[in-house]
Amino acid sequence: QVHLVQSGAEVKKPGASVKVSCKASGYPFTSYEISWVRQATGQGVEWMGWINPKSGNTAYAQKFQGRVTITRDTSISTTYMEMSSLRSEDTAVYFCARGFAWNDGSDYWGPGTLVTVSS
Amino acid sequence: SYELTQPSSVSVSPGQTAKITCSGDVLAKKYARWFQQKPGQAPVLLIYKDSERPSGIPERFSGSSSGTTVTLTITGAQVDDEADYYCYSVADNNVIFGGGTKLTVL
Repeated sequence: QVHLVQSGAEVKKPGASVKVSCKASGYPFTSYEISWVRQATGQGVEWMGWINPKSGNTAYAQKFQGRVTITRDTSISTTYMEMSSLRSEDTAVYFCARGFAWNDGSDYWGPGTLVTVSS
Repeated sequence: SYELTQPSSVSVSPGQTAKITCSGDVLAKKYARWFQQKPGQAPVLLIYKDSERPSGIPERFSGSSSGTTVTLTITGAQVDDEADYYCYSVADNNVIFGGGTKLTVL
């Protein structure tokens, strides 16, 4: 079955960068785009951007344009989300998810990665 | 930019029917989806294309649409259905989420 396995929790200082990974299995990696979504504690969810694993094309929410980079490595079915210039407000759980672009009932979320930004 | 509006909370007694609405102009031209999120867990898709249910989702969860509003209905709500529920839609290469609704069943 479908699995999205994310990298472990991170603690970063303000101004640093973080890179979170998401390894897919159980389906053809290039068949579905992968999105990144974040959720601060007790808050709603916020879409950050997505990548088409087949083409490498990306789209970002305006809020994250220029500060977030989503990439992929098709050889290991893994997608990455890198965020720079971290600030305390970026403390959140970061989820990867597939299928948003298709609307065929295939949406599936990873377990999330906690990123804490603290001095 | 598009927005989706949900009530912040809904309460029902066990066995009653819970209705959670989601409103936004984008819903007049794009389908909505719903997910359920329990504390500390990843979201789970409940409804897509306004009213379709993925395999494995209980029949008590249903969705409907009218104009710019979609509704998630939980018929015969159970204590285990207590969770946060979010609507979302995809338009113009963006994913728009509602603010989420906390469902209390007690």
